[in-house]
Amino acid sequence: KAGVTQTPRYLIKTRGQQVTLSCSPISGHRSVSWYQQTPGQGLQFLFEYFSETQRNKGNFPGRFSGRQFSNSRSEMNVSTLELGDSALYLCASSLGSGGTYGYTFGSGTRLTVV
Amino acid sequence: GQQLNQSPQSMFIQEGEDVSMNCTSSSIFNTWLWYKQDPGEGPVLLIALYKAGELTSNGRLTAQFGITRKDSFLNISASIPSDVGIYFCAGPANSGAGSYQLTFGKGTKLSVIP
Repeated sequence: KAGVTQTPRYLIKTRGQQVTLSCSPISGHRSVSWYQQTPGQGLQFLFEYFSETQRNKGNFPGRFSGRQFSNSRSEMNVSTLELGDSALYLCASSLGSGGTYGYTFGSGTRLTVV
Repeated sequence: GQQLNQSPQSMFIQEGEDVSMNCTSSSIFNTWLWYKQDPGEGPVLLIALYKAGELTSNGRLTAQFGITRKDSFLNISASIPSDVGIYFCAGPANSGAGSYQLTFGKGTKLSVIP
């Protein structure tokens, strides 16, 4: 059974650009959540999608957005990149929403903004 | 919102020693999860706890769901070098309107000295 796949693994972008990250969940998982991980703030919840609907959103500016497709694959987009957006972005999938049964995480996309 | 306070922040121990770390909250959690993250990878679920007072083991790891439902403990016995990593507690926090999001503690960084 394939795990959660995130692409790309590494990305370098310039301030002001935009970026799109991709996540393929475990087959059968309908929930996909996104987290931002930085050394100072730990794992910060961005948003969760379940059956193509955004179920929950964390406390991030509108520059951070996401979507989920009918096959449960998800993308997140960050527009007008800032230096502080440099982080490890983690995607996680689950059978149900809300995290009660735990999430399976991908290896992450390391985004560096210069 | 509901926050999780993890301690200690970091630990240096000798190989073979036992390790204890804990997680507390001012709010009640109905589920406690413990994850481990290796460098460059996403967190991996170690143990899930669903009932107050529950004690669950996974090999050399044992975790307990506190009776008050406001804390949880993780113990690692006879530590080995591959135990190195960051350990996170997590739980579904009520984000309002009946929805939950998986919230993480800031992590305990474990270093094992051979």
